[in-house]
Amino acid sequence: ETGVTQTPRHLVMGMTNKKSLKCEQHLGHNAMYWYKQSAKKPLELMFVYNFKEQTENNSVPSRFSPECPNSSHLFLHLHTLQPEDSALYLCASSVSVPAAFGGELFFGEGSRLTVL
Amino acid sequence: QKGVEQNSGPLSVPEGAIASLNCTYSDRGSQSFFWYRQYSGKSPELIMSIYSNGDKEDGRFTAQLNKASQYVSLLIRDSQPSDSATYLCAGNSGGSNYKLTFGKGTLLTVNP
Repeated sequence: ETGVTQTPRHLVMGMTNKKSLKCEQHLGHNAMYWYKQSAKKPLELMFVYNFKEQTENNSVPSRFSPECPNSSHLFLHLHTLQPEDSALYLCASSVSVPAAFGGELFFGEGSRLTVL
Repeated sequence: QKGVEQNSGPLSVPEGAIASLNCTYSDRGSQSFFWYRQYSGKSPELIMSIYSNGDKEDGRFTAQLNKASQYVSLLIRDSQPSDSATYLCAGNSGGSNYKLTFGKGTLLTVNP
């Protein structure tokens, strides 16, 4: 069982569609994250959840809506996206926030999103 | 503008050589620094963390931190073709110990 599992691995959607990305971690961690990775750009932190509570929204447009029903699951609901939202969306987890040193993130394989 | 800058690369070294990856950061409040390795089509994985000035060695990898110069580096000794990947430098930012700022990454190719 891999540590952090993301589904779907690939998603193509139109600008008027509604879809969701799912992330599940099997590491017993209490913090979960969504990152966006675009070509030629640094990884961008989108959201952070700690013990199911959102602790960070990094000025993300409202067309991205996160949901964290428990410490093991994280969703990213997508609606009315734009072509520039096409990217690799990475889920990550860590032991907790704040941790002594919070950089030890465990990433999922990512969901490659294409918006037409 | 706060951020993490990496030498853009790509960097190509022969097998067995030392690969040197460099990173500078602008947030003087950053305390923790990390190197992640990302193979093509894969997710990033943590390979080194460093919190104090000086060197930290782990096998063939050595991370160096100089807070006065706001400089972080990663040395890979005896480079192997399997080290070919993009290396991401990250530092915590905004006084937070979990909000990481990543550099764009440096693509390393180790030629057999």
